[in-house]
Amino acid sequence: ETGVTQSPTHLIKTRGQQVTLRCSSQSGHNTVSWYQQALGQGPQFIFQYYREEENGRGNFPPRFSGLQFPNYSSELNVNALELDDSALYLCASSSVGDTDNEQFFGPGTRLTVL
Amino acid sequence: AQSVTQLGSHVSVSEGALVLLRCNYSSSVPPYLFWYVQYPNQGLQLLLKYTSAATLVKGINGFEAEFKKSETSFHLTKPSAHMSDAAEYFCAVKKISNTGKLIFGQGTTLQVKP
Repeated sequence: ETGVTQSPTHLIKTRGQQVTLRCSSQSGHNTVSWYQQALGQGPQFIFQYYREEENGRGNFPPRFSGLQFPNYSSELNVNALELDDSALYLCASSSVGDTDNEQFFGPGTRLTVL
Repeated sequence: AQSVTQLGSHVSVSEGALVLLRCNYSSSVPPYLFWYVQYPNQGLQLLLKYTSAATLVKGINGFEAEFKKSETSFHLTKPSAHMSDAAEYFCAVKKISNTGKLIFGQGTTLQVKP
C-alpha cells in the first residue's frame, strides 16, 4: 500500500509568483485535505476536495485554489505569492465512509517565498 | 467554534520519566480528538484517536490519552520517556459531522534529556 506522497519536497519562489504543489493520495482514499503549517505553528486547514469538488474551506483567500483529479490526486495552487506564504504545506488523504475519517499525512512541501 | 489549547509549548523530561502533554478543547458537540507527532522535516503521524468509544485510548509507541468530558481535556501520557520520543506533538479536534477540517493546537515540543 502506497502512502501519501507530495512533490516537490522543497521550493523557492519570489513574491508575486505562482506555485503549484502536488499530492498523491493513499490507495483507496477519495478525499484530499490541504494544510498550511507556518514555522512554530500548528497546521491550518486550507480546504478539502472530494469527488473533484471543494468540500469545505478554511480562512484562506481565493488566491489559494485547488484541484482534484479522477485518480484522487490533487494540486494546490497559490497565486501572487506573499512572504507570509512561506510554510510547510501538508496534504492528507482520507476516505469518506470510514467511520472516523482518519486523515493520513504526506511529508509536506516546504515553500520559501523571497 | 471549535478550538484546541495545548498548555506548554516546550516540555522537558529525563529519559525514563513520565511524559505528560496537556490538551484542552472547546467544542459545542462531542468531537473526535487526535494526537499527532511530527519529527523534524517530516509530516504528521497519528499517535492515537478518540472517536466516542472507550475514554482511555492507547496508541503507538506506548502513548495513551484519556478523554475527560467534564474537564474538556485529552492529555497525552507515556509512563517512561525514550530519547526517540523527542519531537513536536499536536493535539487536534474534528467535528464528528465534518468530513475534514482538523483543528490543531499550537504544538508542544518534547525534549528528552539523557
